[in-house]
Amino acid sequence: QSALTQPASVSGSPGQSVTISCTGTSNDVGSYTLVSWYQQHPGKAPKLVIFEDIKRPSGLSNRFSGSKSDNTASLTISGLQAEDEADYYCCSYAGSYTWVFGGGTKLTVL
Amino acid sequence: QVQLVQSGAEVKRPGASVKVSCKTSGYTFTSYYMHWVRQAPGQGLEWMGIINPSGGRTTYAQRFQGRVTMTRDTSTSIVYMELRSLSSEDTAIYFCARETNFDYVWGENWGQGTLVTVSS
Repeated sequence: QSALTQPASVSGSPGQSVTISCTGTSNDVGSYTLVSWYQQHPGKAPKLVIFEDIKRPSGLSNRFSGSKSDNTASLTISGLQAEDEADYYCCSYAGSYTWVFGGGTKLTVL
Repeated sequence: QVQLVQSGAEVKRPGASVKVSCKTSGYTFTSYYMHWVRQAPGQGLEWMGIINPSGGRTTYAQRFQGRVTMTRDTSTSIVYMELRSLSSEDTAIYFCARETNFDYVWGENWGQGTLVTVSS
């Protein structure tokens, strides 16, 4: 199972929007409505920010949104804030009770 | 509230095995699958496998098959992950993460992580 492909880094200024892509295959991202996104600050456990491609956990800021087209999922963070600076990982169900992560993207708020 | 509390840091020699525990509370243990994820220093997240605490059924990532065993103890609500034949490449933080109320969705609740260091 190959890892999903994410850009190594993205950046944006406070108030701007950034989008992180996550490219898989027709065997994972393209086959299921089961892409999740996790935010991870240094030294912390990951935090779920998007699930089932587009849904937000209860209580999470609506500045986070997810989308998907064919084999590529995307996470968009609007109205960037300093606290959004973190690593972001996509993760897709890949069938037969297996999952696969992307390599991670470091978001820098300038 | 849901809590996942993992065992403490471990230092192991190459070739040894390690068994990490994830003690759960605040919910019905047998109702939610548990995942294991690891993160090598400065690296990304890697999915290792899943266990159904109800029947004990497991599925492992292909790269760990034959070297990892996930088990559970329903009497104590603890899930275990044992990794054998350790090498320096297994030095990582190991996390347990619980399924949510949505099928195939997980990761709203995580353990604090257990650092496993493999060194001679």
